[in-house]
Amino acid sequence: GQQVMQIPQYQHVQEGEDFTTYCNSSTTLSNIQWYKQRPGGHPVFLIQLVKSGEVKKQKRLTFQFGEAKKNSSLHITATQTTDVGTYFCAGAYNQGGKLIFGQGTELSVKP
Amino acid sequence: EAQVTQNPRYLITVTGKKLTVTCSQNMNHEYMSWYRQDPGLGLRQIYYSMNVEVTDKGDVPEGYKVSRKEKRNFPLILESPSPNQTSLYFCASSRATSYEQYFGPGTRLTVT
Repeated sequence: GQQVMQIPQYQHVQEGEDFTTYCNSSTTLSNIQWYKQRPGGHPVFLIQLVKSGEVKKQKRLTFQFGEAKKNSSLHITATQTTDVGTYFCAGAYNQGGKLIFGQGTELSVKP
Repeated sequence: EAQVTQNPRYLITVTGKKLTVTCSQNMNHEYMSWYRQDPGLGLRQIYYSMNVEVTDKGDVPEGYKVSRKEKRNFPLILESPSPNQTSLYFCASSRATSYEQYFGPGTRLTVT
């Protein structure tokens, strides 16, 4: 079946260091979304990538969608304590409603 | 204020006692979905609905039922809850043409 693998599961960084999480799908995606969940909170939408090779930036966050539309990454430059939380990717495989989430990467930032 | 609401937020129940978790959105969204979140497994989709009277199974539908009689409501029904359904449940909604999902605050369910 369709799967989205996300690594790493945990990442501990010193404030100011960079952070990257990766998602890989077993089959081609129609689009991929990224969400952030703060401890004790609910997932909050960050961005959606649709086109092959797409790169989008939001301040210190850079999102990439692979050329084959099977993988994606989220990179945070110079992490801050406000970046703490779990980052999820979610892949859609067609224009229907099924969405497959990665397992998430829990980011902790040491001041 | 645009929001997705869930009730109850916390529930402790016993095996076999039917329960319903309600979900309501005020954004006129066509698409609604239920997820469960378990440590190490991320979010897994239970059921989703593309519009009124249109529902479909996600990845883990066993033991759950849903209905979509009105656009704003999408209740999750556990006819005979079991301990392996102890989890954190999220409802989400979005416009049909966009998958930007808005999540509710979550319902923490414990089945003993």
